[in-house]
Amino acid sequence: QKEVEQNSGPLSVPEGAIASLNCTYSDRGSQSFFWYRQYSGKSPELIMSIYSNGDKEDGRFTAQLNKASQYVSLLIRDSQPSDSATYLCACEYSGGGADGLTFGKGTHLIIQP
Amino acid sequence: DAGVTQSPTHLIKTRGQQVTLRCSPKSGHDTVSWYQQALGQGPQFIFQYYEEEERQRGNFPDRFSGHQFPNYSSELNVNALLLGDSALYLCASSLWADYNEQFFGPGTRLTVL
Repeated sequence: QKEVEQNSGPLSVPEGAIASLNCTYSDRGSQSFFWYRQYSGKSPELIMSIYSNGDKEDGRFTAQLNKASQYVSLLIRDSQPSDSATYLCACEYSGGGADGLTFGKGTHLIIQP
Repeated sequence: DAGVTQSPTHLIKTRGQQVTLRCSPKSGHDTVSWYQQALGQGPQFIFQYYEEEERQRGNFPDRFSGHQFPNYSSELNVNALLLGDSALYLCASSLWADYNEQFFGPGTRLTVL
């Protein structure tokens, strides 16, 4: 059974600091990995995708993937109060079509002004 | 460029009733996936439609059924509603040929009394 584990938090980080969010997954066949941000009462918003081992940077966000350790992380640099949200980690097995995403329960991030 | 749209926004039903939720995918997308998100949980995959066929299904009973139309829009039907079906129902659209980056609609909040 595919499982994605995240620390539910809350994770409290001072404004301007780096927020580090972590995720582990159980299915070694997983090929695609995603981070979604979800504000309270809203739907998830895709912020990063990563498919290969290593780092991928997009603005203030960096996703890191280590398939050997079955570990995915998201770093948010220069954290802003607007980054306060629940961050969902998701994995997909097939890498293209014909598969749903398996989500973790999410980490609640609070950026303290 | 229209994003993913869903209707209705909110719905209240009683146990035993049937409900139909609707989704229009993002312009250019051909694949629709449906998810159920209970309070405090990550989204759970219900099923995915491509070329008007159900391609994969998550661990949901056959009370949950769907359809995709030639214009790629989709419906989710739930029969014999239970109290436990109360949740946010999310539609996500993607390209079949892509690494399944899925973009979510605003969701339909279903309350079963």
